[in-house]
Amino acid sequence: ETGVTQSPTHLIKTRGQQVTLRCSSQSGHNTVSWYQQALGQGPQFIFQYYREEENGRGNFPPRFSGLQFPNYSSELNVNALELDDSALYLCASSFISGTRAYNEQFFGPGTRLTVL
Amino acid sequence: DAKTTQPPSMDCAEGRAANLPCNHSTISGNEYVYWYRQIHSQGPQYIIHGLKNNETNEMASLIITEDRKSSTLILPHATLRDTAVYYCIVRIAGGTSYGKLTFGQGTILTVHP
Repeated sequence: ETGVTQSPTHLIKTRGQQVTLRCSSQSGHNTVSWYQQALGQGPQFIFQYYREEENGRGNFPPRFSGLQFPNYSSELNVNALELDDSALYLCASSFISGTRAYNEQFFGPGTRLTVL
Repeated sequence: DAKTTQPPSMDCAEGRAANLPCNHSTISGNEYVYWYRQIHSQGPQYIIHGLKNNETNEMASLIITEDRKSSTLILPHATLRDTAVYYCIVRIAGGTSYGKLTFGQGTILTVHP
């Protein structure tokens, strides 16, 4: 069984640029969630994708967007980067079926984004 | 989702049981208690969850009080590798935002030799 993987592991961008982060979900999982974790804070929910559609969103502006692909992998895109976007970005996968609405999530190691 | 309150830090001697408390006094009937931990520079790791009965798995035990307003995560024989931030999360079952985990500050558990 393959766990959740993320790429790249580290990334440095400048203010105003755009970035794309990638996540491969755990084998058998059909749902991907993204979190932002600032230094010294707990992760903050950005959004979740299920069946290739956004299925819940936290308090993040529209310049944070995502995609989920037919193989359940996912991308997080952030436009017009700001200094405060510097953080660890975590991806988590889980499995949702019609009869089971509550499932533990499995996290990847994260991508460390630094905005200069 | 209900809020949780955890002590900011705890210490434990290696080989002893670590008991991490969590208060969730506003929990509602359809909300589960989840525990995750995050070892430095890694993604959070699922530990255990429960609704109202006590639960045990290979990692830990979860004790939920009868009124469900608090719970305790027990690591029966703590090792140095259990040093991490432990998050107690209360989450509604079902709904459209299945994935949303609301993390607080957590408890920094330090296991010392």
